[in-house]
Amino acid sequence: GENVEQHPSTLSVQEGDSAVIKCTYSDSASNYFPWYKQELGKRPQLIIDIRSNVGEKKDQRIAVTLNKTAKHFSLHITETQPEDSAVYFCAATSLGGYQKVTFGIGTKLQVIP
Amino acid sequence: TAGITQAPTSQILAAGRSMTLRCTQDMRHNAMYWYRQDLGLGLRLIHYSNTAGTTGKGEVPDGYSVSRANTDDFPLTLASAVPSQTSVYFCASSAGAGNEQFFGPGTRLTVL
Repeated sequence: GENVEQHPSTLSVQEGDSAVIKCTYSDSASNYFPWYKQELGKRPQLIIDIRSNVGEKKDQRIAVTLNKTAKHFSLHITETQPEDSAVYFCAATSLGGYQKVTFGIGTKLQVIP
Repeated sequence: TAGITQAPTSQILAAGRSMTLRCTQDMRHNAMYWYRQDLGLGLRLIHYSNTAGTTGKGEVPDGYSVSRANTDDFPLTLASAVPSQTSVYFCASSAGAGNEQFFGPGTRLTVL
């Protein structure tokens, strides 16, 4: 089965700096990679996703890169703000059959004002 | 629009008792999922359903059962709760493979 490793588990950055979270996956059949943000006491919510036919996707201050050969993908947050503080989960999904989603263990991001 | 709801919000349960966690979505999504979230372990899939009438086992199915009698509802049942089932449980739904999963607000379950 799929195995998703995520690091770091915790990350502290100064407001305005960039933050990078990295994930690796094991199943070469995985071809959809969503990222979820979970604020304290709230439900996870999708912030960005990427499919295996592209190498990079941006949405304002957030970007995701994918290296299929190396089986890793990363989340980049630029110009961090205190409201970016949350737990971020990466996930890998195979689009064949049912949508089996395997999540990483999460990264707790703290943005220091 | 309610989206996806769960009940109860929280529950304390004696070991050995049974309980059903409820999940309802009004988005007409075919796929539904149950996850448990434990500190340091992320979100782990318990059971899933691709469409009404079908279910499948996820990563940690032991001690749990599900049913999918219709599109909207996907209840999760603990037949005989054990303390290791203390967790936060999230239900989710999606339109299908490769689509965003929408999560419910979660149920915090404590088994004593």
